[in-house]
Amino acid sequence: EAGVTQSPTHLIKTRGQQATLRCSPISGHTSVYWYQQALGLGLQFLLWYDEGEERNRGNFPPRFSGRQFPNYSSELNVNALELEDSALYLCASSLRPMTEAFFGQGTRLTVV
Amino acid sequence: GNSVTQMEGPVTLSEEAFLTINCTYTATGYPSLFWYVQYPGEGLQLLLKATKADDKGSNKGFEATYRKETTSFHLEKGSVQVSDSAVYFCALTDLGNQFYFGTGTSLTVIP
Repeated sequence: EAGVTQSPTHLIKTRGQQATLRCSPISGHTSVYWYQQALGLGLQFLLWYDEGEERNRGNFPPRFSGRQFPNYSSELNVNALELEDSALYLCASSLRPMTEAFFGQGTRLTVV
Repeated sequence: GNSVTQMEGPVTLSEEAFLTINCTYTATGYPSLFWYVQYPGEGLQLLLKATKADDKGSNKGFEATYRKETTSFHLEKGSVQVSDSAVYFCALTDLGNQFYFGTGTSLTVIP
């Protein structure tokens, strides 16, 4: 069974640009979570989607947004990139909301 | 509110030493508790879980017991290997609106 897959693996963008990160959950999982892991800051909760709806968002500015598609895959969009957005972005999925979550390998975003 | 507190790292142990990584939590209700492991350059892998008081989660020689009286979920392994070198995260969810992660504890095992 395929795990959570994220693309791209690495992404380099210039300050002010937009970045789009994608996540495919484990088959049958309806909940998708996004986290930011910046150096030295642990995991910061970004967004939670379930059944196509945004259920909760963390303490991030509105330029961080996303959506979940009918097939439960998800994308995270970051507009007006800033240098401090450079981080590993992790996606996770779970079979039911807030049960054990399985993570992808992450997308390393570098803003220059 | 909910929170998870882990022991500060980094932790350095010799191969075959006993490992304990402390984790305590604050939560309303009856949370589920998890340990995740992150190897260099990778995402997080679920190591073990416990969903109710006195449950013991175990996997790959690691164990943790859900102690409601002390609000703790300490991770233990009897004999660590070099391959166990990684960052370990304690986490909880109370079936609310998010998972809560600790700050992570870096473990290095030396031969």
